[in-house]
Amino acid sequence: QAVVTQEPSLTVSPGGTVTLTCGSTTGAVTGGHYPSWFQQKPGQAPRTLIYGTSNKHSWTPARFSGSLLGGKAALTLSGAQPDDEAEYYCLLSYSGTRVFGTGTKVTVL
Amino acid sequence: QVQLVQSGAEVKKPGASVKVSCQASGYTFASYDISWVRQAPGQGLEWMGWMNPNSGNTGYTQKFQGTVTMTSDTAKSTAYMELSSLRSEDTAVYYCARLDNWNGHYWGQGTLVTVSS
Repeated sequence: QAVVTQEPSLTVSPGGTVTLTCGSTTGAVTGGHYPSWFQQKPGQAPRTLIYGTSNKHSWTPARFSGSLLGGKAALTLSGAQPDDEAEYYCLLSYSGTRVFGTGTKVTVL
Repeated sequence: QVQLVQSGAEVKKPGASVKVSCQASGYTFASYDISWVRQAPGQGLEWMGWMNPNSGNTGYTQKFQGTVTMTSDTAKSTAYMELSSLRSEDTAVYYCARLDNWNGHYWGQGTLVTVSS
């Protein structure tokens, strides 16, 4: 089974920009993996931010965007706010199965 | 609006089984697969498998084959996940989710299952 890798932790300044990435041990991540991104705060269920590489839900703040970057999926947070401090997970689809990434802890400091 | 409401917390003894329910509303239940995801204390998200309410087809990750059964009752718009032969390592929060690559992803609130003697 594929392993989906993410940065363990990242720090961003309030108002700053940070990019999280999501890689696959099977090779380059493409649109065919339908990358998704989720935000999770302690004690809460995950909240979907991005699906299908770059699509947003109605509740997704405009400061979050999804893309493909250098063979990986990427989540960019532009204009970070203290409320964005959370764990972020990506999810990739592989021929009938799905694998979550290892998660990135984002600190706004 | 799409909503997934799960059953309440459970405490089980090792070797027992647990069945978690997930009631859907706000969409045609039979039209979308339901996935189950678990999260052990302090750990990341783990996708367990999926179930199609229309066909009854299922797909489980290798780790859970033989111990998990995913079913549904379309008349009640409810999906179920049963985990058998419970061990302490199965202590986790279990989420149902409608994960659709084209129409977005929706999550239940989670159900804590504690396995303890």
